[in-house]
Amino acid sequence: AQSVTQPDIHITVSEGASLELRCNYSYGATPYLFWYVQSPGQGLQLLLKYFSGDTLVQGIKGFEAEFKRSQSSFNLRKPSVHWSDAAEYFCAVGAGDSSYKLIFGSGTRLLVRP
Amino acid sequence: GAVVSQHPSWVICKSGTSVKIECRSLDFQATTMFWYRQFPKQSLMLMATSNEGSKATYEQGVEKDKFLINHASLTLSTLTVTSAHPEDSSFYICSATGTTKTQYFGPGTRLLVL
Repeated sequence: AQSVTQPDIHITVSEGASLELRCNYSYGATPYLFWYVQSPGQGLQLLLKYFSGDTLVQGIKGFEAEFKRSQSSFNLRKPSVHWSDAAEYFCAVGAGDSSYKLIFGSGTRLLVRP
Repeated sequence: GAVVSQHPSWVICKSGTSVKIECRSLDFQATTMFWYRQFPKQSLMLMATSNEGSKATYEQGVEKDKFLINHASLTLSTLTVTSAHPEDSSFYICSATGTTKTQYFGPGTRLLVL
């Protein structure tokens, strides 16, 4: 069965520093992969997605992610973090059937030091 | 594009009453809508999947008579929490997907049952 692991529950970075949030997935075929961000009390906003093609995906707000099949990873990166990036980040993989269901990771909370 | 709205954004009700939450896709046709529940500091828990014009598919452990889902049109799905009790208090989030295999999320509805 598909699964998603986000090994870091919390990450704290200084404003202006680079960021990498880890995501590992378990899936038999080529997965559909997503990163979403959730601010407190809000819904989820799509940052980026990977379906096929170029393994380096650009998203909104300066985020990018790289699909590495050999490592079953889809890590999210940003070269310079802003205080407004503080939020919860969720990695998700498509369930692989026709339902369009998503399997979510447990999330990583990003704290930004001024 | 791909905007999903939810109404109401928050609701307080007395125990034993029913509450209806609406989820609308504003600028695309949503063939499939999903309803999630999120507890504080946790990931999203999928409750059910609804396809326009057909009965919803509920996840294991979700009471279908308790959480009534209707997806009457390609832009509207509703979740009715029947005979709500304090343990139903939670943050409910919907998402919608069209032909892009991508879920777009609403802003969420916070339910407090007294």
